[in-house]
Amino acid sequence: AQSVAQPEDQVNVAEGNPLTVKCTYSVSGNPYLFWYVQYPNRGLQFLLKYITGDNLVKGSYGFEAEFNKSQTSFHLKKPSALVSDSALYFCAVRDGAAGNKLTFGGGTRVLVKP
Amino acid sequence: GAVVSQHPSWVICKSGTSVKIECRSLDFQATTMFWYRQFPKQSLMLMATSNEGSKATYEQGVEKDKFLINHASLTLSTLTVTSAHPEDSSFYICSADTFEYFEYGYTFGSGTRLTVV
Repeated sequence: AQSVAQPEDQVNVAEGNPLTVKCTYSVSGNPYLFWYVQYPNRGLQFLLKYITGDNLVKGSYGFEAEFNKSQTSFHLKKPSALVSDSALYFCAVRDGAAGNKLTFGGGTRVLVKP
Repeated sequence: GAVVSQHPSWVICKSGTSVKIECRSLDFQATTMFWYRQFPKQSLMLMATSNEGSKATYEQGVEKDKFLINHASLTLSTLTVTSAHPEDSSFYICSADTFEYFEYGYTFGSGTRLTVV
């Protein structure tokens, strides 16, 4: 069975400082990994994904994530956080060998203070 | 890019009534649609997977007679919450598998806030 863990319920960071949101995963086959952002009472917005290729993935709004197979991690990063980055972030995984279901982590609330 | 239009955005209904939520794919054919439920400040829990023209596959613990899913066409999937109760109040989100069309893979609706009073 596939699973995703986001160990931090909330991350607080000052505007302009680097932002990191952690994610680890477990799958049987090759992972398809995703990051989404959600604003209140809204659906999910795609930030980036990893399927194959370079371990460092660049996505929307200046976000990037690094796939680390040995540590089964896919942490989301942004070099300089903005107040507008305050939102709920979800990491998700699809097992490439087990259908097309997406499993989400518990979510991490990011609060960027001015 | 792909757009999944989800309606209504919010709905309030009385206990015992039924509510239908629609998700339409506007510029692609959605062979597979996923339905999620999200409680406040919590993650998305997959309720069921619907494939066009066939019965939905429900996740363990989800009452299929209470949450009726219909996917009769390639552009429309519906979730009907039957005999709604206050505990059914939640945020419901649909998602289409769009790997075939778009590199970002999945396209999400904007969600429906259901409040049962």
